[in-house]
Amino acid sequence: DVKVTQSSRYLVKRTGEKVFLECVQDMDHENMFWYRQDPGLGLRLIYFSYDVKMKEKGDIPEGYSVSREKKERFSLILESASTNQTSMYLCASSLPTAGRETQYFGPGTRLLVL
Amino acid sequence: DAKTTQPNSMESNEEEPVHLPCNHSTISGTDYIHWYRQLPSQGPEYVIHGLTSNVNNRMASLAIAEDRKSSTLILHRATLRDAAVYYCILRAPGYNFNKFYFGSGTKLNVKP
Repeated sequence: DVKVTQSSRYLVKRTGEKVFLECVQDMDHENMFWYRQDPGLGLRLIYFSYDVKMKEKGDIPEGYSVSREKKERFSLILESASTNQTSMYLCASSLPTAGRETQYFGPGTRLLVL
Repeated sequence: DAKTTQPNSMESNEEEPVHLPCNHSTISGTDYIHWYRQLPSQGPEYVIHGLTSNVNNRMASLAIAEDRKSSTLILHRATLRDAAVYYCILRAPGYNFNKFYFGSGTKLNVKP
């Protein structure tokens, strides 16, 4: 079974702090994704990566950056956390079978920014 | 961009079949139809996908209308564990992952 793990289930940070969210997958998938999920807005894509050191902006990249130094690990960075970044963050991975790919999701990190 | 329309919520009795509808009237000829579900406090999980023909797997069946403007996810015997938010998603081939829209989904409530 594909396993996608996220470093924390719950996180509380203060405004202005730098926040790192880590995601690791164990299936050698090329593609990795970061989403945020908010009530009434569904899942929105922040960034995705299709290879090591490669990244593409999603729908809402402002205020976020990402890092992919190793194939299995994809990090989401909040350079200076703000209260409007309080959300559920979901990481996913997939093979590059365009259109037909299955995305495998982690359990999510619920981030609260005070 | 092709989007989907789903009812906000549905209710079912345990061990009865459930038909979850999805409208996608602006679907293009190459868009795949995917269904995911999200159980409480978990990340979404893949259920099924198809292009033109009906599809079956161990979790569910996917019935696709002949004109592809709508589809129905069928859970043959709902269990309490099937209570979740179900998302119908169109996925275009190619590497534009902005086209993987989850929307708000249908919240399925299963009554014992």
